[in-house]
Amino acid sequence: SAVISQKPSRDICQRGTSLTIQCQVDSQVTMMFWYRQQPGQSLTLIATANQGSEATYESGFVIDKFPISRPNLTFSTLTVSNMSPEDSSIYLCSVVWWAGYEQYFGPGTRLTVT
Amino acid sequence: AQTVTQSQPEMSVQEAETVTLSCTYDTSESNYYLFWYKQPPSRQMILVIRQEAYKQQNATENRFSVNFQKAAKSFSLKISDSQLGDTAMYFCAFAPLSNDYKLSFGAGTTVTVRA
Repeated sequence: SAVISQKPSRDICQRGTSLTIQCQVDSQVTMMFWYRQQPGQSLTLIATANQGSEATYESGFVIDKFPISRPNLTFSTLTVSNMSPEDSSIYLCSVVWWAGYEQYFGPGTRLTVT
Repeated sequence: AQTVTQSQPEMSVQEAETVTLSCTYDTSESNYYLFWYKQPPSRQMILVIRQEAYKQQNATENRFSVNFQKAAKSFSLKISDSQLGDTAMYFCAFAPLSNDYKLSFGAGTTVTVRA
């Protein structure tokens, strides 16, 4: 099965700074998504990362705060901008392969903002 | 909008016993998929089992099986012969075909398997 990796696996950042999280898949996928999991909570979809075009954001999430890139079919980045302690969460990418509908998740990035 | 409800925040089961997790969902869609994901303390989300709404037969994956009741909008997960490695948070998730497979998750159920 394909491998999904995320970098960094964890980070501690100061408020007001930005962090870019990378998601790499070892084979081409149709769809890539970014989710947020706040402490002790379930997963919430942030956006769909569209290859070669702007991401599609869910209600409550905006591009200025969470800019996303997807330059090709195997890679995407999520930036958490101007961070505050409320942004402390696990951020996960997920992918859907061609002709499939199941989503598989990366290992997640644990972000702590102080 | 779709909502997914998991009414059991925590469940505890003795090793080798059976535990059933409940999930209900609310939707006006007719074509969709349902999933159970497992998240152990490592935080890796692992796909446990999936069910296509158009299939009447309940899905089974080794010790994991579901009871899918489409009319009741119910999708429960049964873990048989529970093992210590089954200790994790379990999430029920819903994905309508009309919404590009975007997943809506329930709040989760923490399962603890006791030795």
